[in-house]
Parts: sequence; structure tokens; C-alpha cells
Amino acid sequence: EIVLTQSPATLSLSPGERATLSCRASQSVSSYLAWYQQKPGQAPRLLIYDASNRATGIPARFSGSGSGTDFTLTISSLEPEDFAVYYCQQRSNWLFTFGGGTKVEIK
Amino acid sequence: EVQLVQSGAEVKKPGESLKISCKGSGYSFTSYWIGWVRQMPGKGLEWMGIIYPGDSDTRYSPSFQGQVTISADKSISTAYLQWSSLKASDTAMYYCVRRSPAHTYFDYWGQGTLVTVSS
Repeated sequence: EIVLTQSPATLSLSPGERATLSCRASQSVSSYLAWYQQKPGQAPRLLIYDASNRATGIPARFSGSGSGTDFTLTISSLEPEDFAVYYCQQRSNWLFTFGGGTKVEIK
Repeated sequence: EVQLVQSGAEVKKPGESLKISCKGSGYSFTSYWIGWVRQMPGKGLEWMGIIYPGDSDTRYSPSFQGQVTISADKSISTAYLQWSSLKASDTAMYYCVRRSPAHTYFDYWGQGTLVTVSS
């Protein structure tokens, strides 16, 4: 089973700052990595798929990069609504796994 | 508009059985895999398993194999997650998800069903 490790666990930033979130896979997942955002009391929503493609309706301040085992989600300038928990996810054969999440909190 | 609408919150006692549902609309229900994701209180996301309603082909995460049963009734565009004997540790939010056409991610999520198991 491929394990996804997200870092940091918590990121304390101010609105307008840049956020850089990391997701590392225990073995290569090619570009088959997705990112989700979850706000309190809400279901997660898809942000990025296939490492770098924004899902429908996702603002351009969100971008994804990476391939193989190392991936990054960047939020170029944090808006108040971006403070949330972010999860990465991969699929290998018939197994889907999520990372443990990064909480982006207001500093 | 694609929607996954889940059944309401449940409160059960240990040992009881339960079946929760997820109704898909706005797309061809039989053409997309539907999965289930668990989120225990204050914790992260765990993929449980997935079913193809077209032919009921089902796959489980090794962590959940034998613990739950996933099924679907394509005549009413509904997928199910069921337990035969609940435990307190089954207390969690459960989300149904639609697997993307590209097969690698989940493009739509249900609103979640909170299951509380307590004596």
C-alpha cells in the first residue's frame, strides 16, 4: 500500500501570504495525485487532479505541481475562505489512499 | 447537475445493524464507480471501498474487507454501505464519492452521513 505523508501538519499564515503544502508518496504514483479542501462541517471538495489540473470552478490562486513521489499544493495569496484542511490522495491499482492532511490556520 | 444525496444521521447501539444510502442524480448512475470514505471524529479521510453499479463489481480496502458491505440498486440509482454488527469504533462521518471518469480521483462527494454508535 502506498503511504502519503503530508507536511507540515499545521501551517499558520496570514491572509495574503503564500501557502506551500507538501505531499510525499512512499513510492511513485506518476502524476495520479489529487488535492482536496475540507472546511469545518463540510464535505471535502476536489481542488486539483492529476497533480496539476484545477477542478472546475477552482480559483487560479490554487496550483499543483510534482510527479513521482513529491508533490506540492500552492495557494499564491491566501483568502479568508482558504483557511481549511487540505488532503492529498492517490490511486494505485485498486487502492486509494489519503494523506493525513495539512491544516492551514490563521496566524 | 451531478448530486450525491446521502441518508440522514443515525444513532445506534453496539451490536445493531445499519444500512446507509447514497442516491446519485444528474448523470448515468450505472457508468461511474461509487465509493465510500470514512472520517472518524477529528481525524483524516480513509477510503473504504467502491462499487460499479452497472454490474455490482465491488472492491474493498484491506482495512475494511469483512467489516462492511457495499451494494447498489441501479433501478433507483442508490448505493449502500451496511454493517451487520456495529461497534463504538464505527462512530464516524461517512461520505459517498463518485470516481472520476479518469479513475484516479473523486470528483463529487455526498454531504455525509454521521453514524453514532453508543450504548
